[in-house]
Amino acid sequence: GAGVSQSPSNKVTEKGKDVELRCDPISGHTALYWYRQSLGQGLEFLIYFQGNSAPDKSGLPSDRFSAERTGGSVSTLTIQRTQQEDSAVYLCASSLGVGQGAGEQFFGPGTRLTVL
Amino acid sequence: GENVEQHPSTLSVQEGDSAVIKCTYSDSASNYFPWYKQELGKRPQLIIDIRSNVGEKKDQRIAVTLNKTAKHFSLHITETQPEDSAVYFCAASSGDYKLSFGAGTTVTVRA
Repeated sequence: GAGVSQSPSNKVTEKGKDVELRCDPISGHTALYWYRQSLGQGLEFLIYFQGNSAPDKSGLPSDRFSAERTGGSVSTLTIQRTQQEDSAVYLCASSLGVGQGAGEQFFGPGTRLTVL
Repeated sequence: GENVEQHPSTLSVQEGDSAVIKCTYSDSASNYFPWYKQELGKRPQLIIDIRSNVGEKKDQRIAVTLNKTAKHFSLHITETQPEDSAVYFCAASSGDYKLSFGAGTTVTVRA
């Protein structure tokens, strides 16, 4: 079946504007993750969703960042009042979730965000 | 929280030689250790993983070893080929869902 998809693939915005990034996980995967990858850096955990449980937001860098997951499937990451330091690749991943323990996470192609 | 350190940050090897990447972790409760490969401009992909109930796992030219006492684990790539050139990330998890990633190792295989 289809893998994790993300849109847009690239987003250029002006400082101070809001942006929305979308993730479609693999069908049947109950766990969904957002990561941020700055140029030449590792993967920084942002937020985790598992089924209907309250999300783990412990990785969100500021209150300008928020995310939601509707119907246990599609997720949207929103960044308000973007700053230049928000420029990075935002990666979404999904996995089978609870009952499997920590298992393979399948990553999407990422959204490259550039804040001018 | 978990802290994963990865070394070296860059590694250049001659084609056919072996490459070794080492990671250490801080949380003794961690029990799942995956390795991801990210080719330039592409998404990370799992190449091998190991759970804490085993000390070594092999898959063709790739092997991972785990030393729980010392809290470190390593990736070994034998007979390196040009297509092994990529960034490799180690990660650790305490059995729930959250992976803590190392900073990555850029591997370059010289022809």
